[in-house]
Amino acid sequence: SAVISQKPSRDICQRGTSLTIQCQVDSQVTMMFWYRQQPGQSLTLIATANQGSEATYESGFVIDKFPISRPNLTFSTLTVSNMSPEDSSIYLCSVRTGLSDEQYFGPGTRLTVT
Amino acid sequence: GENVEQHPSTLSVQEGDSAVIKCTYSDSASNYFPWYKQELGKGPQLIIDIRSNVGEKKDQRIAVTLNKTAKHFSLHITETQPEDSAVYFCATGNTNAGKSTFGDGTTLTVKP
Repeated sequence: SAVISQKPSRDICQRGTSLTIQCQVDSQVTMMFWYRQQPGQSLTLIATANQGSEATYESGFVIDKFPISRPNLTFSTLTVSNMSPEDSSIYLCSVRTGLSDEQYFGPGTRLTVT
Repeated sequence: GENVEQHPSTLSVQEGDSAVIKCTYSDSASNYFPWYKQELGKGPQLIIDIRSNVGEKKDQRIAVTLNKTAKHFSLHITETQPEDSAVYFCATGNTNAGKSTFGDGTTLTVKP
């Protein structure tokens, strides 16, 4: 398994500003993902964070709005840019260790945009 | 792409009863089927999974069954307890693709 931490755990931000969320894993992992979960909804994949190269974004998500970095095998950041109230959501970091298909999730970052 | 449907969306049972949640999927290439439990304010936690070469898997009070021909799989929780109350998500994955597709979730309430 993998232990995943996220910072911040929650934040309240004003529209038009940006927030960077950090994800730290206690071991090297092959794959890191960023998900969004709106209240009462399922998990929507934003992008796969690739180490040393640009992230792979899902349909409906673009790099200018959600820039992602992954400088090494244990750390990634997601930035939510030029925020609007519609960006209010829980953002989850997830990893696969590469030893199996198992996928693990961090505790999430609860973002409220006013 | 893959489409995963999960039923029911809400489920209420008495403590000690069994609970069953069902998922269907569309992509025959899917070969990995995990279930997650998400408690309020927390991230999803992997509770059990099954691979396409297995029909059933048990872990204490929880079990998962898979019917690849019919493209559906189910989560069974026996002797439910109030602490089983949570949102449960099914998912499908493909070892080569890397990413998973999630169902919409089932809110399980176990009444004491």
